[in-house]
Amino acid sequence: QSVLTQPPSVSGAPGQRVTISCTGSSSNIGSDYDVHWYQHLPGEAPKLLIYSNINRPSGVPHRFSGSKSGTSASLAITGLQPEDEADYYCQSYDRSLSGSVVFGGGTKLTVL
Amino acid sequence: QEQLQESGPGLVKPSETLSLTCALSGFSITSGHYWGWIRQPPGKGLEWIGSISHSGSTDYRSSLKSRVTISVDTSKNQVSLKLTSVTAADTALYYCARIMTTMTTRWIDPWGQGTLVTVSS
Repeated sequence: QSVLTQPPSVSGAPGQRVTISCTGSSSNIGSDYDVHWYQHLPGEAPKLLIYSNINRPSGVPHRFSGSKSGTSASLAITGLQPEDEADYYCQSYDRSLSGSVVFGGGTKLTVL
Repeated sequence: QEQLQESGPGLVKPSETLSLTCALSGFSITSGHYWGWIRQPPGKGLEWIGSISHSGSTDYRSSLKSRVTISVDTSKNQVSLKLTSVTAADTALYYCARIMTTMTTRWIDPWGQGTLVTVSS
C-alpha cells in the first residue's frame, strides 16, 4: 500500500492527451510539499520528468507538464507518442514518516 | 557525464547481510548533495530506503531503520548500503541516486541503472 495513490493504468492513442493523478494526504502533498514525477522505461533507470510540481528538467519535452492542487497532483502528457509507453511514478515528502520520501504505486501508460 | 553505478552480489542467503556499493563518476561525493538508495521489488513500485549527506547525516525508511546502514567513502567517491538479516521480502532491484534536497523538498536525479539482488538459499 503506497502512501501516494495513482491509477494502476491509463491508455491513449497516439496524438491524444492523457493525465495521471497522484493523491496524497494532509501529511504530504497537502502540507505543501512538492510533487515530482519520474518515467521508468523497462530495463532503464528511472528518469526525472517533472520536479517541484511544474518544472521540466533540461531535455524533457514540453509535452509533459505537471500541476498540483490541495492534496493531489497530476501529470499531463499531450501528443502521445509510442515511446511514452512506460511506468510513471509520483513522489513527495511526508512529515509523519520521519521526513521520509514517499512514492505513488506507479501508473502503467499504454499507447494504443 | 554524471553517472552512478551500483555493484554487489546478486544473490544473498536469508539472514545474511546485503552489501552494495555505488560508484560515482562525473561528480564528487563531497559536492554538498545527498546520496540515497531506492529499491523496487519484483512486480511492485518504488520504495525509499534512505539517504546520507556529504557530512554523514543519515535518514532511513522507518520500517528498515533497525537493519540498514548507508555510508560514504570519500577516498573512493562511493556510497554503500548494508542491509542485515535479509529475507525474501528484500529481493529487489536496488538503485543508487543523487537526492536533490532543499529546505522544503527532495527529488531524485540522476538514478543509477540498478542492480538486482535476490535473497534465496
